[in-house]
Amino acid sequence: DAKTTQPPSMDCAEGRAANLPCNHSTISGNEYVYWYRQIHSQGPQYIIHGLKNNETNEMASLIITEDRKSSTLILPHATLRDTAVYYCIALIGTSYGKLTFGQGTILTVHP
Amino acid sequence: DAGVTQSPTHLIKTRGQHVTLRCSPISGHKSVSWYQQVLGQGPQFIFQYYEKEERGRGNFPDRFSARQFPNYSSELNVNALLLGDSALYLCASSLGNYNSPLHFGNGTRLTVT
Repeated sequence: DAKTTQPPSMDCAEGRAANLPCNHSTISGNEYVYWYRQIHSQGPQYIIHGLKNNETNEMASLIITEDRKSSTLILPHATLRDTAVYYCIALIGTSYGKLTFGQGTILTVHP
Repeated sequence: DAGVTQSPTHLIKTRGQHVTLRCSPISGHKSVSWYQQVLGQGPQFIFQYYEKEERGRGNFPDRFSARQFPNYSSELNVNALLLGDSALYLCASSLGNYNSPLHFGNGTRLTVT
């Protein structure tokens, strides 16, 4: 799995968009980018994943650069409940159930 | 629909004892994975089971073992507990297909004294 690099922490004002960056410069052509988040004392929660194209679901949008060396997770209207550790993971597939979690980004949403 | 359920939610054991943790996957999910999360770190992969067979194993000692039952539920067993085994143990389930997301339970908090 390609190594991913994320800033250790970020702040965001409630109601504003939160843009969380992830660098994966060594990603291979068949590796997907997955995003999970973990709210304190809970298990990680799946957010979104993508390969090349931008993706959007009810939780967030994922923007992947054309060269696929980096991506951005966008929470369009952050709320206090979005305060969590956000993990960016690059992997070929989930068939073997193995996700490699790094340190992630601690996102703090302020009132 | 019910998510991944784990039991118990909290557990206190003494060094040298044995522990069994249980996981019920989301209905229809055939793959179960186990993770260990030590305070302040991201989860670390322990095992994956698919259709009752071990499909993957992380870098954990043989004191750790698991199994999956015909109804796809799973147990994680840890023998000869050490203080360093104190952690949040997470179970995740998925369809087991190439790219199906893993869905996690809220874990079992194990404290070894």
